[in-house]
Amino acid sequence: QTVVTQEPSLSVSPGGTVTLTCGLSSGSVSPSHYPNWYQQTPGQAPRTLIYSITTRSSGVPDRFFGSVLGDKVALTITGAQADDEADYYCVLYMGSGIWVFGGGTKLTVL
Amino acid sequence: QVQLVQSGAEVKKPGASVRVSCKTSGYTFTTFRIGWVRQAPGQGLEWMGWISAYDGKTDYAQRFQDRVTMTTDTSTTTAYMELRSLRSDDTAVYYCAMTTQGFFWGQGTLVTVSS
Repeated sequence: QTVVTQEPSLSVSPGGTVTLTCGLSSGSVSPSHYPNWYQQTPGQAPRTLIYSITTRSSGVPDRFFGSVLGDKVALTITGAQADDEADYYCVLYMGSGIWVFGGGTKLTVL
Repeated sequence: QVQLVQSGAEVKKPGASVRVSCKTSGYTFTTFRIGWVRQAPGQGLEWMGWISAYDGKTDYAQRFQDRVTMTTDTSTTTAYMELRSLRSDDTAVYYCAMTTQGFFWGQGTLVTVSS
């Protein structure tokens, strides 16, 4: 059973920079996994931030940056703002119509 | 613009079935697959499967294989997800998503399973 790994929680100071990562319990994340990143605030549907590792979804500010970090992919938020406080999920495509979500990272801005 | 509007909240008894609809607009319906994702209270996102709006071909996550059916109606550009033999741990918000450029998400439908 493939597990997608994320940090359970992270914190960042207002104006600071934080990097969230998304990996695999076994192996490296690759472009063929079509990694996507989502932001979710309480009571809201997820919002797509980044797809295919680095592409920002329409309307997403360039403070959100997707990249490769070793054998993982990463979401970096620069100039953190209070309304960046949210849950962040990555998802990876495993083939045969199966996507697997990571457990999510709860980001606190304080 | 792309919009996915889901049906309203449902309350079901254990053992019953639920069907959630997802009305789409703003793009050519048959071009992309529609996926379904659920989120139990206080938990993370869970992939259930998807359906091609072009030919109706489905891929389901193994844990839902025996209980879920996803369909589409091209005349109304609507996707449906039916989950059978409901249990209390099926209580969740169910999301549809058009699976391109990341996902375009519906607003979610709360399904509560309670006796």
